[in-house]
Amino acid sequence: DVVMTQSPLSLPVTLGQPASISCRSSQSLVHSDGKIHLSWFQQRPGQSPRRLIYKVSNRDSGVPDRFSGSGSGTDFTLKISRVEAEDVGVYYCMQGTHWPWTFGQGTKVEIK
Amino acid sequence: QVQVVESGGGVVQPGGSLRVSCAASGFSFNTHGIHWVRQAPGKGLEWVAFTRYDGTDEHYADSVKGRFTISRDKSQDTLCLQMNSLRAEDTAVYYCAKDERGTVAGWGQGTLVTVSS
Repeated sequence: DVVMTQSPLSLPVTLGQPASISCRSSQSLVHSDGKIHLSWFQQRPGQSPRRLIYKVSNRDSGVPDRFSGSGSGTDFTLKISRVEAEDVGVYYCMQGTHWPWTFGQGTKVEIK
Repeated sequence: QVQVVESGGGVVQPGGSLRVSCAASGFSFNTHGIHWVRQAPGKGLEWVAFTRYDGTDEHYADSVKGRFTISRDKSQDTLCLQMNSLRAEDTAVYYCAKDERGTVAGWGQGTLVTVSS
């Protein structure tokens, strides 16, 4: 199985400051269709997960542009340009290239 | 707007069976596959199972293979996850989500399954 490793697992941030979460896969996520199926999800306290980013860098409709995704091969990053209070929660990366699909352990973002 | 609604969770004894269901709005199970993802209390997300829209392709996590099966109720246009030989470690909120070729979208509110004597 593909292991998805996120770091850090806990991320205290100051409001208005940037934040960055790393996600590394144990093997390349390039699919036979040529695409990289790496997504990012946000789970706010008490809520269901919500997709933010798909195929590495495509932001979902309604997701603020302070969220951005990047990466290639086995290294991926989710960046928040300026953290707001509503960004508190747990963030997960997920690969959909190889069966079984797998998630990272999650990164908890909290306000300092 | 793409939405799914899960139902059917509850308390079941170890070794027992339970079936949870997923109903869709804003899209059809005739054209989109479904994933099941679970989250144990206080833990992270675990992908569980997938079925292609036409039922020709299915995948299961090793942790549930041979015990869980996805089935379709065409009369009610719902997809079900039949869970047999349940264990304490299967206790979790079960979410269904729409397949979008390499990713998932439209998570529901989940349904809680508790395996306990």
